[in-house]
Amino acid sequence: EDQVTQSPEALRLQEGESSSLNCSYTVSGLRGLFWYRQDPGKGPEFLFTLYSAGEEKEKERLKATLTKKESFLHITAPKPEDSATYLCAVRQGGSEKLVFGKGTKLTVNP
Amino acid sequence: SQTIHQWPATLVQPVGSPLSLECTVEGTSNPNLYWYRQAAGRGLQLLFYSVGIGQISSEVPQNLSASRPQDRQFILSSKKLLLSDSGFYLCAWSPNSQETQYFGPGTRLLVL
Repeated sequence: EDQVTQSPEALRLQEGESSSLNCSYTVSGLRGLFWYRQDPGKGPEFLFTLYSAGEEKEKERLKATLTKKESFLHITAPKPEDSATYLCAVRQGGSEKLVFGKGTKLTVNP
Repeated sequence: SQTIHQWPATLVQPVGSPLSLECTVEGTSNPNLYWYRQAAGRGLQLLFYSVGIGQISSEVPQNLSASRPQDRQFILSSKKLLLSDSGFYLCAWSPNSQETQYFGPGTRLLVL
């Protein structure tokens, strides 16, 4: 049973076209939701950690939000260099393990 | 600042051969260390983690083993590789169990 589901699987945007990526989760006792960016052939790069519903964090054109059931990664006026796979992961209370979704592959066309 | 290294970057091995992948972390002490595998079309899967020297926890039964001979060194091994061991292996570290995990550059393993 999937605990973390990311949608859409792939997203194509034009440069400047804002959109959102979704990460829904079913774990109980959430002890952190993590967003990473992964470029082809490289390790995931940390973006944000969110701990409680209502929390928001921003970095450049990215903004992450969290509710009790899902998180959104909002991308404002994206540029081609924002093209990557975005991964979402959750940690359940009492566990060392991060459970990852399968990712959303974002392509931003110039 | 902290830096995490993995080597080799890529590896092609025949079925039945041994494996040793190494991960080292610089700029911190007593980190938690993790080995993940990323297979095509699947999310990252935690294989092993360690909270200290000689302390290894396994998440899934498999053909692999892990060791932590030094504080900032984590090794992934196998005595005999299987075709199904092919994948992208990622090492990660965190300051403790409650904080963010930071990933290394990864090792691409192809078993033929």
